[in-house]
Amino acid sequence: SQQGEEDPQALSIQEGENATMNCSYKTSINNLQWYRQNSGRGLVHLILIRSNEREKHSGRLRVTLDTSKKSSSLLITASRAADTASYFCATDVGGADGLTFGKGTHLIIQP
Amino acid sequence: EAQVTQNPRYLITVTGKKLTVTCSQNMNHEYMSWYRQDPGLGLRQIYYSMNVEVTDKGDVPEGYKVSRKEKRNFPLILESPSPNQTSLYFCASGVVGELFFGEGSRLTVL
Repeated sequence: SQQGEEDPQALSIQEGENATMNCSYKTSINNLQWYRQNSGRGLVHLILIRSNEREKHSGRLRVTLDTSKKSSSLLITASRAADTASYFCATDVGGADGLTFGKGTHLIIQP
Repeated sequence: EAQVTQNPRYLITVTGKKLTVTCSQNMNHEYMSWYRQDPGLGLRQIYYSMNVEVTDKGDVPEGYKVSRKEKRNFPLILESPSPNQTSLYFCASGVVGELFFGEGSRLTVL
């Protein structure tokens, strides 16, 4: 069943601007992960945030987690054309089946 | 190089003709999984395996079979493919906290 739901479904911004994507989920989680997918390619792991963490940084990525609202956000700062991709959140509830993915946000960076 | 390898990458077949999509990983991961990706539906899990000889159904297992005879391989079998199985398929392996994906297999069933 779909656990995470990304918002917006699509986002188009100018190069250099910041991009923010949101993810909402329904049940308690162990951790939440963000993945990136270039068109038609495999997903690539970006960052993981545990349920007891509120914010995490990795390079130009900043992830926040609000477990009271069951939501997370991914911020990409100083966007580049190469950031054009789809971004998925994935939740880990600790079950044997692993991760459940949302439908993704398609990000377009205009040069 | 650490990787998950799927074959074939592209396949066009006809209804009812059995096919197998192979998946192999070189990272010694115990966990492996198959997903299908369809427009507007995101990634949906088909089957997963926690270890050799242990497989379980995901969210959309109907029409698929898997096997896990060796740790590195996790083939996806379509015994009698139908047009509604036209999709982009991904194999993944991993540990707690990170999945590694193959490049995908685009399957068209006519």
